[in-house]
Amino acid sequence: DAGVIQSPRHEVTEMGQEVTLRCKPISGHNSLFWYRQTMMRGLELLIYFNNNVPIDDSGMPEDRFSAKMPNASFSTLKIQPSEPRDSAVYFCASSLTGGRGNEQFFGPGTRLTVL
Amino acid sequence: GNSVTQMEGPVTLSEEAFLTINCTYTATGYPSLFWYVQYPGEGLQLLLKATKADDKGSNKGFEATYRKETTSFHLEKGSVQVSDSAVYFCALSVAGNTPLVFGKGTRLSVIA
Repeated sequence: DAGVIQSPRHEVTEMGQEVTLRCKPISGHNSLFWYRQTMMRGLELLIYFNNNVPIDDSGMPEDRFSAKMPNASFSTLKIQPSEPRDSAVYFCASSLTGGRGNEQFFGPGTRLTVL
Repeated sequence: GNSVTQMEGPVTLSEEAFLTINCTYTATGYPSLFWYVQYPGEGLQLLLKATKADDKGSNKGFEATYRKETTSFHLEKGSVQVSDSAVYFCALSVAGNTPLVFGKGTRLSVIA
């Protein structure tokens, strides 16, 4: 099993540019989660999907952030326009409802730097 | 609501020392409890879990016991190694398709 795949692993961009982060969950998993991690705020849940449907996006910081899950094997997190305070590591995680006590599997993360 | 409180770090130990990282929780319902570990530059990975009271999760020499009476899930290891240096997160889950609730993480540094 390849695990959760995220791309790119690193992204450096300038303020005002659009950024798109990508995630491929583990095959067969039906829940997908986007997190952001910073030194100041720790690990924050941004949004999660069940069966490709967004369930709770209350963690999305602003309208500049949007997430989609067009099918069971792909999700994107977009920031438009990006700002320096968006610099963080963004993690995607997936899980199988009812499987093994709801264990979540994390991807390696995308380190975003906005200059 | 549901929340997890874990001891603040950083924790610095010498190799072969005994480790305890405290974790307590508040939950509506009967949660499953987890410890995740994050090594430098990597994502979180499950270290161990327990799904009911008095269960003991264990892995790689680490263990934690689900204590319902004290709402705790403290992580312990008898003899830490330099390779255990990482950030450790305690977490809970109260339903099958809802997100885990994470603590803020505890950074552990083990020195030779």
